[in-house]
Amino acid sequence: SQQGEEDPQALSIQEGENATMNCSYKTSINNLQWYRQNSGRGLVHLILIRSNEREKHSGRLRVTLDTSKKSSSLLITASRAADTASYFCATVPPSAGNKLTFGGGTRVLVKP
Amino acid sequence: GAVVSQHPSRVICKSGTSVKIECRSLDFQATTMFWYRQFPKQSLMLMATSNEGSKATYEQGVEKDKFLINHASLTLSTLTVTSAHPEDSSFYICSASGLLSGNTIYFGEGSWLTVV
Repeated sequence: SQQGEEDPQALSIQEGENATMNCSYKTSINNLQWYRQNSGRGLVHLILIRSNEREKHSGRLRVTLDTSKKSSSLLITASRAADTASYFCATVPPSAGNKLTFGGGTRVLVKP
Repeated sequence: GAVVSQHPSRVICKSGTSVKIECRSLDFQATTMFWYRQFPKQSLMLMATSNEGSKATYEQGVEKDKFLINHASLTLSTLTVTSAHPEDSSFYICSASGLLSGNTIYFGEGSWLTVV
């Protein structure tokens, strides 16, 4: 079953703009991960943030985590057409090993 | 390069037949593999967790007799959809993790199954 919701479900922006998407989850977590999926393809791991971390950066990606609100955000700065994809958050509860529970995903369209 | 390989990437089968999808870890020993199902424009739904050498653990609502999972070695897990029906048509994705991959989970490229 899905852990939570992602918001927005779809996002359309111009190249160069920033894209922000949010993820809410329901249970306590060990870590939260963000993945990218191009249409009809597998998932690519983007970034992992642990429950004791509040913010993490990787290139043009910035992830925040607020465990008190059970929410996370993914920011893609200076977006490019190649960033067009679906983005999923996934949570790992404590003692769940590497068992991921995915959010509903955000479909991002970056227009050139 | 890919560290988890799925095969076939696309398969069409007739109703009532069975089809096997393979998931191989290429660069590491996968002690655990996961099988997901994804419908168009939807999220991934975990079907089962497969541990090498033991029976798979199925999620609630997933028929274990219909979706047979075998994880006979540290580099291979298979999902067999038995007596397939058109409603089984979906995108099936595996992921793998192991002792040396830490928290990193690697996903295969997925397999499109169409049952006609």
